[in-house]
Amino acid sequence: AQKITQTQPGMFVQEKEAVTLDCTYDTSDPSYGLFWYKQPSSGEMIFLIYQGSYDQQNATEGRYSLNFQKARKSANLVISASQLGDSAMYFCAMREGQGDYKLSFGAGTTVTVRA
Amino acid sequence: DSGVTQTPKHLITATGQRVTLRCSPRSGDLSVYWYQQSLDQGLQFLIQYYNGEERAKGNILERFSAQQFPDLHSELNLSSLELGDSALYFCASSAREGPGNEQFFGPGTRLTVL
Repeated sequence: AQKITQTQPGMFVQEKEAVTLDCTYDTSDPSYGLFWYKQPSSGEMIFLIYQGSYDQQNATEGRYSLNFQKARKSANLVISASQLGDSAMYFCAMREGQGDYKLSFGAGTTVTVRA
Repeated sequence: DSGVTQTPKHLITATGQRVTLRCSPRSGDLSVYWYQQSLDQGLQFLIQYYNGEERAKGNILERFSAQQFPDLHSELNLSSLELGDSALYFCASSAREGPGNEQFFGPGTRLTVL
């Protein structure tokens, strides 16, 4: 079974607008972490934001925020005030357990920001 | 710059050959992970080392092997290469500080098997 599901293969957003990228996850482990990474066309993987399963508040990092709905098992990424440089592939990932453990990745969502 | 280095950046080789991919983690990070990114399989975890010891294994073929050396750099060896092994291979190391133990990725090695 898929641990991470990203249902939007591609999205277009107008510059300066906000965009929400969907991510649902599946785990029976009560302790887990959720991550979002950005992969520009150059190929590198850039860490954006982290949410722990026990965190009470939604994570925020600058223009990135994570809408964590534990009961729904969703961890959507919101990018506010989109910029042309935000055009990239975005991956949602999960670590099961607390500590140094592997990541399971979703299929990714391609975001294209239009001027 | 994540602080994780990988060499080479590109590798072109023929079927049946053997290659070695090298990774140096961020200073102080003990865990090294290898991932494979291909068009058909997406991003898949291959193997993890922690302070020189194998910690976890994922979808790693028997033709592939890895090790982590005392200076914590790691090498991924791919042998008897097939066309389907063409992919982007990432190394990552995880942060010891902070609650997330977030993984920082190297720039990747793009392997093309002809």
